[in-house]
Amino acid sequence: DSGVTQTPKHLITATGQRVTLRCSPRSGDLSVYWYQQSLDQGLQFLIQYYNGEERAKGNILERFSAQQFPDLHSELNLSSLELGDSALYFCASSVRSGTSAKYQETQYFGPGTRLLVL
Amino acid sequence: TQLLEQSPQFLSIQEGENLTVYCNSSSVFSSLQWYRQEPGEGPVLLVTVVTGGEVKKLKRLTFQFGDARKDSSLHITAAQPGDTGLYLCAGDNYGQNFVFGPGTRLSVLP
Repeated sequence: DSGVTQTPKHLITATGQRVTLRCSPRSGDLSVYWYQQSLDQGLQFLIQYYNGEERAKGNILERFSAQQFPDLHSELNLSSLELGDSALYFCASSVRSGTSAKYQETQYFGPGTRLLVL
Repeated sequence: TQLLEQSPQFLSIQEGENLTVYCNSSSVFSSLQWYRQEPGEGPVLLVTVVTGGEVKKLKRLTFQFGDARKDSSLHITAAQPGDTGLYLCAGDNYGQNFVFGPGTRLSVLP
């Protein structure tokens, strides 16, 4: 158990709909990352938040948005869903340690939300 | 743009064999992580390496970070069916961005 929780575990919806995926990071972690993983594909980075602020953006579609709340949980909103959005969506939280000479940031992943768009 | 390449892409071996998978980049990373992912589950962290030339051992798994902090290898001794999974390496650039490789899909046959 990584300490990162994601809900729901499974989600089935129709094209054109909107869904919200939720992530609670490990206690004390300020960063949250969202990834998409399609069948037999690698992890595609979507977006990162750090202490409530957007930190980095990856290949996130305009139909997708995210936010991180004051209690540090995060939500990923997917709208106007298409068949191709069916995938596993993972959230990860990270902890930093070390000095500038030996900087280390490690991500811990949640169990994922499996989204199926019909 | 920083990219991580992993090789081989697929590997199928018999139980008891040794194997090495590689993670390469032209970029320098402040640290590099190895993860193992099983189907339908999230990646699980195996190790983080930080210092160039660093070697870490985790039971039958040996991880090495290249001297220049651009590449890494994972060696598994006497592979077991329980080692089957997708092995992902990920590079961190001082917190600026996180880059994942495409993964090596390992199958260990009994």
